Amino acid sequence: SAVISQKPSRDICQRGTSLTIQCQVDSQVTMMFWYRQQPGQSLTLIATANQGSEATYESGFVIDKFPISRPNLTFSTLTVSNMSPEDSSIYLCSVEGTGNTGELFFGEGSRLTVL
Amino acid sequence: KQEVTQIPAALSVPEGENLVLNCSFTDSAIYNLQWFRQDPGKGLTSLLLIQSSQREQTSGRLNASLDKSSGRSTLYIAASQPGDSATYLCAVRPGYGQNFVFGPGTRLSVLP
Repeated sequence: SAVISQKPSRDICQRGTSLTIQCQVDSQVTMMFWYRQQPGQSLTLIATANQGSEATYESGFVIDKFPISRPNLTFSTLTVSNMSPEDSSIYLCSVEGTGNTGELFFGEGSRLTVL
Repeated sequence: KQEVTQIPAALSVPEGENLVLNCSFTDSAIYNLQWFRQDPGKGLTSLLLIQSSQREQTSGRLNASLDKSSGRSTLYIAASQPGDSATYLCAVRPGYGQNFVFGPGTRLSVLP
């Protein structure tokens, strides 16, 4: 298994500002995943973050809007830039657990409201 | 392209009832399937993971089955409790190293 801590757990932001979400894992992992969950919707993968290389973004997501850092094997950040009300979502950090089962574990999520 | 659906979208049952949540996927070639629970405004908690070679997995009052040929998985919850109230999502990994595809979830309410 994996224990994932996310900060902040929730925030209310003004339009046009940026916010950085932090994700800390209790073990070293190769890949970290960032998801978005818009109100009433299921999860959509934003990007996969590998340590030491550029993040891989999914269709519809760009680095300028969602820059990601991955400075080491236990930590990553996601920034939501130049926010608009449409960015109001839960943002979730995820990793695969140890043991090669492919099981996915999630943090508690960061609930952002953009006014 | 793999697509995942879940029926029903919402379900309300009295406490103590046994219930079944359904998950369907369009491509039977999968690597594994995982069931999650999500409380309102929170992250996802892993419930059960079924590898493609397995037929079912059990944890406490939960039992998940997998029928790849029909593209279906079910999550059986025995003796439901109000604390089981949450949204249940299933997710399918199409292949090794590929990303999970999530269903829309079933919102469960267990009434005392």
